[in-house]
Amino acid sequence: EPEVTQTPSHQVTQMGQEVILRCVPISNHLYFYWYRQILGQKVEFLVSFYNNEISEKSEIFDDQFSVERPDGSNFTLKIRSTKLEDSAMYFCASSMTGDTQYFGPGTRLTVL
Amino acid sequence: QQQVKQSPQSLIVQKGGISIINCAYENTAFDYFPWYQQFPGKGPALLIAIRPDVSEKKEGRFTISFNKSAKQFSLHIMDSQPGDSATYFCAARGSLGGSNYKLTFGKGTLLTVNP
Repeated sequence: EPEVTQTPSHQVTQMGQEVILRCVPISNHLYFYWYRQILGQKVEFLVSFYNNEISEKSEIFDDQFSVERPDGSNFTLKIRSTKLEDSAMYFCASSMTGDTQYFGPGTRLTVL
Repeated sequence: QQQVKQSPQSLIVQKGGISIINCAYENTAFDYFPWYQQFPGKGPALLIAIRPDVSEKKEGRFTISFNKSAKQFSLHIMDSQPGDSATYFCAARGSLGGSNYKLTFGKGTLLTVNP
């Protein structure tokens, strides 16, 4: 069964450093998302991406964040200058129609 | 307007019992309501979903009941098993404008099924 994959599974970085989180969505899907989940809290929407552009972003998704689909298969989330409060699980999701969204296993980001 | 309120925060049920988790929403533009199951250290996995034109949907031991007029929906897990122990999130899709189809999640319910 096709699945969303994410790398790395755990990323540790120093405050102020740049990180890139990588996702490989399900191959024929058209809608892509990033969500995050701070430990013990709900899953929060960050950004949606469709037709090679951002379709919506949340208040969390400020100028420090960017997304890219560089080669038609990967979908990346970049955080330019990480802050302590960026520590969270980051989930990539994809969808064929915008209905059912399939989530990856997540990347745990720890900012020290 | 964009919030989804979920209760209870935690739930303990005996094996074989019925688990019931409730959610409420305000935004009438929501048009798709999935439930996700999450085990520790894993991503949310879609369990079952419903659209507002249907009042109930059943898949195996899992049933969603939907009350459009009350803007409420609930997940029932029949014959709960220890393997069902996980965190359950309700969610709602849609927005007042655009086609992004983002999901708005409830805060989650930690279900524990005792053997």
